[in-house]
Amino acid sequence: GNSVTQMEGPVTLSEEAFLTINCTYTATGYPSLFWYVQYPGEGLQLLLKATKADDKGSNKGFEATYRKETTSFHLEKGSVQVSDSAVYFCALVGVAGGTSYGKLTFGQGTILTVHP
Amino acid sequence: EPEVTQTPSHQVTQMGQEVILRCVPISNHLYFYWYRQILGQKVEFLVSFYNNEISEKSEIFDDQFSVERPDGSNFTLKIRSTKLEDSAMYFCASSETKETQYFGPGTRLLVL
Repeated sequence: GNSVTQMEGPVTLSEEAFLTINCTYTATGYPSLFWYVQYPGEGLQLLLKATKADDKGSNKGFEATYRKETTSFHLEKGSVQVSDSAVYFCALVGVAGGTSYGKLTFGQGTILTVHP
Repeated sequence: EPEVTQTPSHQVTQMGQEVILRCVPISNHLYFYWYRQILGQKVEFLVSFYNNEISEKSEIFDDQFSVERPDGSNFTLKIRSTKLEDSAMYFCASSETKETQYFGPGTRLLVL
């Protein structure tokens, strides 16, 4: 079945540091890939997505590139802010048997804390 | 901007009681989902719903669970007889294209 593996957390950075959160996946076919963010006390918000190989998703300074050859979708940001402190989830929507109703498979989440 | 809403935000119930969690998806969306997140664990898929019927469900979604879209706007998740292990955050999501899903803020369920 489909699975998503994220780097172990938590991740603690100083403001303006470079962020990478690793994500790799296992899926049949050509899944769509997503990063969701969960701020403290809130629900899941879509951060960015990519639907085919070599696509780059970007939003709010965050980027991730769909790498089929390494089955990866690593999240990066050049300069983090305190307000980026949240839990980040990598996820995929796969295709099974030619049919998909959009079931999301999530990674375990990575807690990011940014200090001033 | 349209958003998915969920009520209640918190629910405390006794083991064995029935609970109904409510969601109002984004109005032009056709695909609806429930997920749950047990504290400290992954977000897990429960069920997807399209065209007034369940399209896919996980192993977690056993006979104790049911979903309904009673009136064209609400989307509910019912747990018939709650167990301690049902304590979790339950998220509703909806999608126009079955690809990009938009999540509600969640209902935190505590079973005592």
